Amino acid sequence: DAGVIQSPRHEVTEMGQEVTLRCKPISGHNSLFWYRQTMMRGLELLIYFNNNVPIDDSGMPEDRFSAKMPNASFSTLKIQPSEPRDSAVYFCASSSPSIGAHRDTQYFGPGTRLTVL
Amino acid sequence: AQSVTQLDSHVSVSEGTPVLLRCNYSSSYSPSLFWYVQHPNKGLQLLLKYTSAATLVKGINGFEAEFKKSETSFHLTKPSAHMSDAAEYFCVVSQGAQKLVFGQGTRLTINP
Repeated sequence: DAGVIQSPRHEVTEMGQEVTLRCKPISGHNSLFWYRQTMMRGLELLIYFNNNVPIDDSGMPEDRFSAKMPNASFSTLKIQPSEPRDSAVYFCASSSPSIGAHRDTQYFGPGTRLTVL
Repeated sequence: AQSVTQLDSHVSVSEGTPVLLRCNYSSSYSPSLFWYVQHPNKGLQLLLKYTSAATLVKGINGFEAEFKKSETSFHLTKPSAHMSDAAEYFCVVSQGAQKLVFGQGTRLTINP
């Protein structure tokens, strides 16, 4: 089975540009999570969706960040305009509430390393 | 609110010797606890998960963890370290049904 797929794996952009990160969850999973990892703050939950609906976006740092999940197999995290302090690794994870021992276990993608110059 | 504290930011052991990574948690109810591993420039991989079925949890790659409610601990152990175990390890508590709270991580170094 394919795991969580993220693209691009690496992104380098200039301050002020729009950045879009993409995620495809594991097929059949109905919950999707976006995390950010930095040296200073560790791993932080930004937002999560259940059945394509945003449930908790309290971790989104500011209005420059937005996330969408138009269908069960695709989500985007957009930063507009980007700033150097947004440089981090962004992870997407997915889970399902109904699959036996793996219930509510989050499976992570490989991450997108974002560098804003 | 739930929280986890990983007691060591860095652990260094020799290949073939035991590994102990320490984690204490704080939770107002019976928690779900996890250990994840992150190899350099990779995503996070689930090692094991505790959900109250058994206090000793066995995971992948020979790792196991013991849930001790009286000590609010969930330490990760492995009898014999392998070079491929070098990575960052995260202790995680579930806050509510789906929100995960991560510890700061423990970097494990294996000496030949």
